[in-house]
Amino acid sequence: AQKVTQAQTEISVVEKEDVTLDCVYETRDTTYYLFWYKQPPSGELVFLIRRNSFDEQNEISGRYSWNFQKSTSSFNFTITASQVVDSAVYFCALSESNTGGFKTIFGAGTRLFVKA
Amino acid sequence: DADVTQTPRNRITKTGKRIMLECSQTKGHDRMYWYRQDPGLGLRLIYYSFDVKDINKGEISDGYSVSRQAQAKFSLSLESAIPNQTALYFCATSEASGNYNEQFFGPGTRLTVL
Repeated sequence: AQKVTQAQTEISVVEKEDVTLDCVYETRDTTYYLFWYKQPPSGELVFLIRRNSFDEQNEISGRYSWNFQKSTSSFNFTITASQVVDSAVYFCALSESNTGGFKTIFGAGTRLFVKA
Repeated sequence: DADVTQTPRNRITKTGKRIMLECSQTKGHDRMYWYRQDPGLGLRLIYYSFDVKDINKGEISDGYSVSRQAQAKFSLSLESAIPNQTALYFCATSEASGNYNEQFFGPGTRLTVL
């Protein structure tokens, strides 16, 4: 069965610190997709990244980077030199391709506080 | 203009009332979804629809119903609202082609049932 675990409920850092948000997933499929979404205090959900199970290359986008490791079923998200605007709830999600994409399972989210 | 819109954005209602939450999208996507978000539980799928003639139950459909009036419109109804349905509700859309399943979310509807 699908499962996404974000063990960190809340993280608090001081501006300019690096922070890593953990995501561990469970799936029986060999083909699946992983996502990260950001939910700022305003409440909307913003797509950050999609990664398919065949692409284990890490990705960097500005201050954001993602480390995908199939061996440990993890898809961790690192923010470098955090800023106050990074304060948000971050969700990791898993979608299996054999479900036609209708069942995306979300983790419980990690609330990140970045203090000035 | 927003691609996925939800109305109302906030609603307070009483136990037993019928409530409808509406979702419209201009992205031209076939697939639409309704989720609810509760603190510490992430998002949970209520219903989803792959096209106008297709409606499917999600993880937590009890107490809810939906209607797909058109490709662009997907409404969620609470026939008789109860307090534990107090939550933040999100509508989402995604493309139907391929395995690409990035979902685009509306701004959310905060529902309070007293």
